Amino acid sequence: DIQMTQSPSSLSASVGDRVTITCRASQSISIFVNWYQQKPGNAPQVLIYAASSLQRGVPSRFSGSGSETDFTLTISSLQPEDFATYYCQQSYSIPLTFGQGTRLEIK
Amino acid sequence: QVQLVQSGAEVKRPGASVKVSCKASGFTFSRYTIHWVRQAPGQRPEWMGWIHAGNGNTKYSPNLQDGVTFTRDTYATIAYLELASLSSEDTAVYYCARGVAVTGNYYFDYWGQGTLVTVSS
Repeated sequence: DIQMTQSPSSLSASVGDRVTITCRASQSISIFVNWYQQKPGNAPQVLIYAASSLQRGVPSRFSGSGSETDFTLTISSLQPEDFATYYCQQSYSIPLTFGQGTRLEIK
Repeated sequence: QVQLVQSGAEVKRPGASVKVSCKASGFTFSRYTIHWVRQAPGQRPEWMGWIHAGNGNTKYSPNLQDGVTFTRDTYATIAYLELASLSSEDTAVYYCARGVAVTGNYYFDYWGQGTLVTVSS
């Protein structure tokens, strides 16, 4: 299985901050990475697909980059509704796997 | 609009089975794969596999134990997840999600609200 490792596991930040979350794959996976946001009690929601494509309806303050093994999710200016847990997910090979999550908390 | 609406929470004894439904609307059901993802309390999501709603082909995660079955009813546009021989390790929220493929990259663009399955004696 491809292991997806996110860092940091948790992060405290303030409204208006720029935040970057990283995800490292255990092998090269091209651009087959997606990013999801999950709020307590809700299903994950896709933000970014194929490493850098913004899902329709997602605010432009979210962006993604990377290829092969190293990927990043950036939020350019944190808004109150962005405090949540973020997961990366690879679709390069079966089984599809998720990172362990990054919990973004209010400072 | 696209919706996936799942059946309600279940409480089961160890050794029992459970069937979770996922009613799809707002899109052409037969053109998509429906994926099942589970999330144990405080854990990352775990992908279980998919069923193609049109032809019924399935793909299961090799990490799953025996006793997991995906089916669908194309006329009713419902996908089903059946879990047999439940154990406490199966306690989780189970999600269905619509799969989308873009240039070979698979992701989940719509999700059901989740079904909590609790296995307890």
